[in-house]
Amino acid sequence: GQQVMQIPQYQHVQEGEDFTTYCNSSTTLSNIQWYKQRPGGHPVFLIQLVKSGEVKKQKRLTFQFGEAKKNSSLHITATQTTDVGTYFCALNNAGNMLTFGGGTRLMVKP
Amino acid sequence: NAGVTQTPKFQVLKTGQSMTLQCAQDMNHEYMSWYRQDPGMGLRLIHYSVGAGITDQGEVPNGYNVSRSTTEDFPLRLLSAAPSQTSVYFCASSYSRGFYNEQFFGPGTRLTVL
Repeated sequence: GQQVMQIPQYQHVQEGEDFTTYCNSSTTLSNIQWYKQRPGGHPVFLIQLVKSGEVKKQKRLTFQFGEAKKNSSLHITATQTTDVGTYFCALNNAGNMLTFGGGTRLMVKP
Repeated sequence: NAGVTQTPKFQVLKTGQSMTLQCAQDMNHEYMSWYRQDPGMGLRLIHYSVGAGITDQGEVPNGYNVSRSTTEDFPLRLLSAAPSQTSVYFCASSYSRGFYNEQFFGPGTRLTVL
């Protein structure tokens, strides 16, 4: 089946700096979802992208889906300590089942 | 609504023991699934169900059984626990067969097999 690769694996930032995580596939994706998992917590849905070139914003978070639908990114502007956690991209396959990327763990120094 | 609930939260087993991880949702979702998450890794699909009486295998089904007798419940059975099954197990549900949907995850069961 389709797979998605996520980079970087880890990212340390100073509070107030920006952060970006990337999700890449060798094949065209029908859609991509993004989840956030706080330390010790469970994944929480952030957004789903479906259209080529789609850009969606949620406050300081900006999500993009590539024109070729082979990559996606999540950008956080001016990180805060509340942004700490692991961010996962996931492909929603037929039957509503998810194939997850490996995740990017974000650590924010106050 | 309680959302997706899982019990127990923590469990320690000895190799060869069997147990059932419970999962329930009160959102009348059709779709339910089980994932496992190993340290520093993403989630991998074990089994899933598209409705009561219907189940299918995911990416890593070996050593696990599931059944779906009601819409609300989707238990995961470990037949003979092995140390390789030490992991965090998440149950998830979703409400739609359509293109737009989000998965709701339970709080997880942290399982250690000695």
